[in-house]
Amino acid sequence: ETGVTQSPTHLIKTRGQQVTLRCSSQSGHNTVSWYQQALGQGPQFIFQYYREEENGRGNFPPRFSGLQFPNYSSELNVNALELDDSALYLCASTSTLGRDEQFFGPGTRLTVL
Amino acid sequence: QQQVKQSPQSLIVQKGGISIINCAYENTAFDYFPWYQQFPGKGPALLIAIRPDVSEKKEGRFTISFNKSAKQFSLHIMDSQPGDSATYFCAATDMNRDDKIIFGKGTRLHILP
Repeated sequence: ETGVTQSPTHLIKTRGQQVTLRCSSQSGHNTVSWYQQALGQGPQFIFQYYREEENGRGNFPPRFSGLQFPNYSSELNVNALELDDSALYLCASTSTLGRDEQFFGPGTRLTVL
Repeated sequence: QQQVKQSPQSLIVQKGGISIINCAYENTAFDYFPWYQQFPGKGPALLIAIRPDVSEKKEGRFTISFNKSAKQFSLHIMDSQPGDSATYFCAATDMNRDDKIIFGKGTRLHILP
């Protein structure tokens, strides 16, 4: 186990709704990244937070937003859900930006109907 | 534009055989090349990684071969075991810019008992 936990495990929403996914980083890790993994594909980078500030963003629209808290837990929020948002959402934490291995959580499986 | 291309998409190998997965990249700024292993229902886990200043790295049954001039790298799994059956992702990162991981599309490996 990596020490990175995510909740919930599974989630079903309908198109147009909003969703919040949560991640608890490994102790001492001040950097968290979020990835979207569509079925049968590799994970795609959504954004990264370092010390509570966004530190890079992938090719995702603004309706994907995030927060990182002082205890290094984090949230991924998605507004106006679309069918194509159905995927496994992964968070990964690391202790030193740009230098150490990233540890992935088990993911949240989001289904949008 | 796919920055990391991975092949084959799926692979079946007899127990005890050698599994070989190939990847190619385009961005010469990439300076860290990890391989991840993912089991169903789990997040990706770092298997082995290499930096471009070496041509080969071996850890147990797993070896990365790296060809900087050809911008190619590969994973070799020696004495493949049924427990190795999983999806494998090659990836690349520009650690000087950020530690956003660019993943390949994955290879589903099945080891026949």
